[in-house]
Amino acid sequence: ILNVEQSPQSLHVQEGDSTNFTCSFPSSNFYALHWYRWETAKSPEALFVMTLNGDEKKKGRISATLNTKEGYSYLYIKGSQPEDSATYLCAPTTGTASKLTFGTGTRLQVTL
Amino acid sequence: GAVVSQHPSWVICKSGTSVKIECRSLDFQATTMFWYRQFPKQSLMLMATSNEGSKATYEQGVEKDKFLINHASLTLSTLTVTSAHPEDSSFYICSAPTSSLQETQYFGPGTRLLVL
Repeated sequence: ILNVEQSPQSLHVQEGDSTNFTCSFPSSNFYALHWYRWETAKSPEALFVMTLNGDEKKKGRISATLNTKEGYSYLYIKGSQPEDSATYLCAPTTGTASKLTFGTGTRLQVTL
Repeated sequence: GAVVSQHPSWVICKSGTSVKIECRSLDFQATTMFWYRQFPKQSLMLMATSNEGSKATYEQGVEKDKFLINHASLTLSTLTVTSAHPEDSSFYICSAPTSSLQETQYFGPGTRLLVL
């Protein structure tokens, strides 16, 4: 079982603030790193799938970086909006079997 | 993106009864689906991998006779919690990967089960 840690557990920011959080995972046998956004009462939504060391992906105001050698990924949100309020989950995989091992997530709340 | 539905969204049952949860891929075919469980304040934990036309693969510590999985078609997997007990009360959620190389997984909205 992979040990996946996410920090912080929760975060409360004001509209317009930029923020970031961390996902740490074992660097051995790494295949891919998935990021999901999970809003209350909805299905988790895939944000990024990253595979290469140094990868950087962007989707609107959200971006993510990946360091496979040291086993971490950062997720950044620029100019947070209330609609960004959600739990952000990361999950590494160790092969093409698609088995995701999730961290406990970072719960983000953005207020006006 | 691809859509996965799950039914029911919540269910309350008496101890000893069986509960069936359906997971459907609506606009794509899925030879593999995954079933996860989440207890309060914990992460999503993989229970089993559902394989179309063959037996499911269970994770360590998950009882296959308690959590019956059937993947009868390329768009439907079912999870049956047999003889449910209060400790089975949890949030159950399924996912299905698309056929793309990076295998993004699409999740259903989940089923909250309460066993009295």
